[in-house]
Amino acid sequence: EAQVTQNPRYLITVTGKKLTVTCSQNMNHEYMSWYRQDPGLGLRQIYYSMNVEVTDKGDVPEGYKVSRKEKRNFPLILESPSPNQTSLYFCASSLSGQGANQPQHFGDGTRLSIL
Amino acid sequence: QKEVEQNSGPLSVPEGAIASLNCTYSDRGSQSFFWYRQYSGKSPELIMFIYSNGDKEDGRFTAQLNKASQYVSLLIRDSQPSDSATYLCAVNHSGGSNYKLTFGKGTLLTVNP
Repeated sequence: EAQVTQNPRYLITVTGKKLTVTCSQNMNHEYMSWYRQDPGLGLRQIYYSMNVEVTDKGDVPEGYKVSRKEKRNFPLILESPSPNQTSLYFCASSLSGQGANQPQHFGDGTRLSIL
Repeated sequence: QKEVEQNSGPLSVPEGAIASLNCTYSDRGSQSFFWYRQYSGKSPELIMFIYSNGDKEDGRFTAQLNKASQYVSLLIRDSQPSDSATYLCAVNHSGGSNYKLTFGKGTLLTVNP
């Protein structure tokens, strides 16, 4: 089954404790992206990757890191999480193209709470 | 900052009616436009995408794009209670930022039986 898998689905942690949210897709997609969703603010793009070893900032990259060492995986790293990073996070992937011009498949989301 | 604005809603329509969802965008060079549906607590799922001016129909859904007016809409015919969800408009950026995607804040649609 074609899917985007995120882990963990839920996480409660404390300020400053490094964490990683994993994302893996089995569709051989080149484009992958991370979003956060907050009430009243909608979905906002954090980082995206056009291919292996190629990443770039979205609209809200501060406080986050990503890496793309393999095509299928695109982890989101919070080196020193803070309460304002409490949010619902989605990973998504799509076929390659000239820009973000292909429909994206979303993972089930990770609900992150930073105390 | 590229802007994508949606009618704020919530929008309520009776079962069987046509629901009209609207979206405007600020980046005149944008080329790709998407409508996603998101049920409460779930991830967004693609409804339609459109690249060219005009209408694109898929079953009960019609996407309409007018690049001159920087406007994209989604019509849902014969609305069903199962269509009750938040609808998200997404637009890609143009030029050197064309791998970036901006979403509107969404419109909550309720279809009343």
